[in-house]
Amino acid sequence: GAVVSQHPSWVICKSGTSVKIECRSLDFQATTMFWYRQFPKQSLMLMATSNEGSKATYEQGVEKDKFLINHASLTLSTLTVTSAHPEDSSFYICSARDRTLAEGEQYFGPGTRLTVT
Amino acid sequence: AQTVTQSQPEMSVQEAETVTLSCTYDTSESDYYLFWYKQPPSRQMILVIRQEAYKQQNATENRFSVNFQKAAKSFSLKISDSQLGDAAMYFCAYKIYNTDKLIFGTGTRLQVFP
Repeated sequence: GAVVSQHPSWVICKSGTSVKIECRSLDFQATTMFWYRQFPKQSLMLMATSNEGSKATYEQGVEKDKFLINHASLTLSTLTVTSAHPEDSSFYICSARDRTLAEGEQYFGPGTRLTVT
Repeated sequence: AQTVTQSQPEMSVQEAETVTLSCTYDTSESDYYLFWYKQPPSRQMILVIRQEAYKQQNATENRFSVNFQKAAKSFSLKISDSQLGDAAMYFCAYKIYNTDKLIFGTGTRLQVFP
């Protein structure tokens, strides 16, 4: 099946620094990518949707200047957490889909655990 | 706005037995899609089963089946002949009409005992 990878799988950064998380579709062209945030023992919350070559669409309450999303190609999307603070510590998951998938289906990455100290 | 509710934070089942996970949702849309996703300890979400609201027939995928009650806005997942590998978090999800966005429930942690 289709594979979505994320890098890094785990990152620790100091408060005030920025960190970039990559999401790649390995064997298909992702026309749409999604970024989710998952708190411990909680659900996935959609942060933003990005289509290749266009600006991301952020969900209400998500600061677009803090969480920069770039969908530069059909196989790569990046999430940059700028000026990170401890409250940004979380598990970040990306997913992707292409036009061959049935309605609503997404391929998910394994997630990235961010810890801000 | 649409909401998805999973009222069972944790469930357990013995190997080879059957377990049912509950999910209810709220929506004013008449046409939509519902999903069950599995998140194993590796954290990579996997699609288990999907249901199209306009189809009355309940979806089935091998040992996994759903009981879709549209009027009651209920969408439960039945796992038959449970296996140790079924142990995971299970999320019920709703696809917003005319978008690719998914709304997830809070999840049910399933433990499988030998």
